[in-house]
Amino acid sequence: KQEVTQIPAALSVPEGENLVLNCSFTDSAIYNLQWFRQDPGKGLTSLLLIQSSQREQTSGRLNASLDKSSGRSTLYIAASQPGDSATYLCAVRDMRFGAGTRLTVKP
Amino acid sequence: EAGVAQSPRYKIIEKRQSVAFWCNPISGHATLYWYQQILGQGPKLLIQFQNNGVVDDSQLPKDRFSAERLKGVDSTLKIQPAKLEDSAVYLCASSLDRAGAYGYTFGSGTRLTVV
Repeated sequence: KQEVTQIPAALSVPEGENLVLNCSFTDSAIYNLQWFRQDPGKGLTSLLLIQSSQREQTSGRLNASLDKSSGRSTLYIAASQPGDSATYLCAVRDMRFGAGTRLTVKP
Repeated sequence: EAGVAQSPRYKIIEKRQSVAFWCNPISGHATLYWYQQILGQGPKLLIQFQNNGVVDDSQLPKDRFSAERLKGVDSTLKIQPAKLEDSAVYLCASSLDRAGAYGYTFGSGTRLTVV
C-alpha cells in the first residue's frame, strides 16, 4: 500500500526566501508524481507533473525533482511571494495524496 | 478547454438525510476520481472509474456511499444516510488515461456540512 508523507506540515517564511517542500513515498513503482496547490476553500491546481522517466520539471519560480530510488520528490520555490501562500500537495500513482504542507509567506 | 464541473458548490443537510453530488469531467477524459477531503487533511480517494467501470473503490464506505458513471461521462456520488463525520469537501478529478500520463485536473469541489 502506497504511503505518501509530506514534510513539513506547515511552514512560515518571510517574503523573498527560497524554500523546499518535501514529499516521500513508499512504493517506487509510480507512473508519475504531480504537485498541486490548494487555496483555502478551493479545488486543486496542478503545478508540475514529473513523469517516472524524468528527474525534474520547472515552471517559472518552481522546480520539482524526483528520485524514484529513494522515494522522494522536492518542490523548490524561489524568491517566495505572499501570493504563494497556500497548501501544497503531492500525489503519486493512482492519485494517492500526502497531507500537504501549509505555506505562509509573510510580507 | 472547459474544466471539471461540479455541483452543487455547497450543501448543508441534517444527519441521516441523503445527498448527491454531480461531476462532469473534461471531454474525452476516460478516468474519473472522487475524493473526500476532511479539513486539514489531504484528499482521500473514494472511487476511481475507467470509462463506466470501477477500477478502485477500496476506500468507499459502501454501506452508505455509492457512485455511478453510467455512460462513461458524468458521474454522481451519493451518501445515504449521512453522518456528521461525512462533513468534508468532495472533489472530482479526471485524467485522459488511467496512468495520468498527461496529469490530472480537479473541479472546485462540493463542501458538505452535516448537522
